[in-house]
Amino acid sequence: DAKTTQPPSMDCAEGRAANLPCNHSTISGNEYVYWYRQIHSQGPQYIIHGLKNNETNEMASLIITEDRKSSTLILPHATLRDTAVYYCIVKQTNFGNEKLTFGTGTRLTIIP
Amino acid sequence: GAGVSQTPSNKVTEKGKYVELRCDPISGHTALYWYRQSLGQGPEFLIYFQGTGAADDSGLPNDRFFAVRPEGSVSTLKIQRTERGDSAVYLCASSLPGGNEQFFGPGTRLTVL
Repeated sequence: DAKTTQPPSMDCAEGRAANLPCNHSTISGNEYVYWYRQIHSQGPQYIIHGLKNNETNEMASLIITEDRKSSTLILPHATLRDTAVYYCIVKQTNFGNEKLTFGTGTRLTIIP
Repeated sequence: GAGVSQTPSNKVTEKGKYVELRCDPISGHTALYWYRQSLGQGPEFLIYFQGTGAADDSGLPNDRFFAVRPEGSVSTLKIQRTERGDSAVYLCASSLPGGNEQFFGPGTRLTVL
């Protein structure tokens, strides 16, 4: 699976949009971009995933560049409960290759 | 519905002892994963079950680590002759076959003294 690079930490004011970048320059054509987050003392939680089109769900939006070498997770109106470590993961979804390869993620702190 | 549960939540043991960590996946989830997370690091993959069989055990660090899932539901991670370096949070996750989302439990914090 391709390696990802994320900034170690970010701050965002409560109520503002949080934009978390991820570089994955070695991504292959059949690899998806996944985002998980981990709130303190809890297990990771799935947020969103995409292949090449932008995606949106009730939690966040995922913007993937046209060359697919980078992406941005957007939390449109950050709340204090969004304080967590956010992991960008690249993986194939074909059967037999289901493991997630986590990096060290971005520690996002929402400031009141 | 109930999520993934793990027991115990905390386990303290002495170096050299044997420990068992249990994971109850979400009902109907045929895929089950074990990860471990050291302080300040992201979770590290250990083993993946599809049904009763281990489809990928490439993450197990050595032969002291073993996991079973005899009936395709509950899984037990077994660690023999524990070492201080085994201290970590052990996370379990489950998913539907081919599912995009892994659902994680709260983890078991293992401390080896």
